[in-house]
Amino acid sequence: KNQVEQSPQSLIILEGKNCTLQCNYTVSPFSNLRWYKQDTGRGPVSLTIMTFSENTKSNGRYTATLDADTKQSSLHITASQLSDSASYICVVSAFGGNKLTFGTGTQLKVEL
Amino acid sequence: DVKVTQSSRYLVKRTGEKVFLECVQDMDHENMFWYRQDPGLGLRLIYFSYDVKMKEKGDIPEGYSVSREKKERFSLILESASTNQTSMYLCASQTANYGYTFGSGTRLTVV
Repeated sequence: KNQVEQSPQSLIILEGKNCTLQCNYTVSPFSNLRWYKQDTGRGPVSLTIMTFSENTKSNGRYTATLDADTKQSSLHITASQLSDSASYICVVSAFGGNKLTFGTGTQLKVEL
Repeated sequence: DVKVTQSSRYLVKRTGEKVFLECVQDMDHENMFWYRQDPGLGLRLIYFSYDVKMKEKGDIPEGYSVSREKKERFSLILESASTNQTSMYLCASQTANYGYTFGSGTRLTVV
């Protein structure tokens, strides 16, 4: 069964600090992995998308890594801001691309 | 930028009512999707459509139907709303590089 597991479930950090969110998956055959940011009460917004051959991708202060051998991904947030407070969702697509498997997200809170 | 618009941000409906959730995208995408999102469960696929008048069941289609009469519009229908359908509903449209764009969501409460 295709699964995506994220850790930690929730995280509180101080503004300006860095943090790393984890995603482990068992989706096969692997096509691509995406990270989304979802603000409370809003739809998810894409941060990065990586295919099998990519092992890192950046979007501003967000950097995603992918290890297709160990089936792990991480999202690193640098110099966090209050606006980074949101849920971060890891989504993995099997080959063919139409059906996605979603993680349950990591709820990040950035405090002063 | 691709825009996916869901017609309502918040809806309150009574048990047994027929409910229509509308989604419109402006990029001529073939593929559109309806998900529901519940705490601790993540997003679950209800239905998707890969062309006009074409639809496929997702993982949790029971109690729902869909309509795609025009390419830009994908509607989710709750034939007889029940309290267990209280949820956040998200529409998505698929871009050429397999990227998804989500709408802002509709929070439906069935009382």
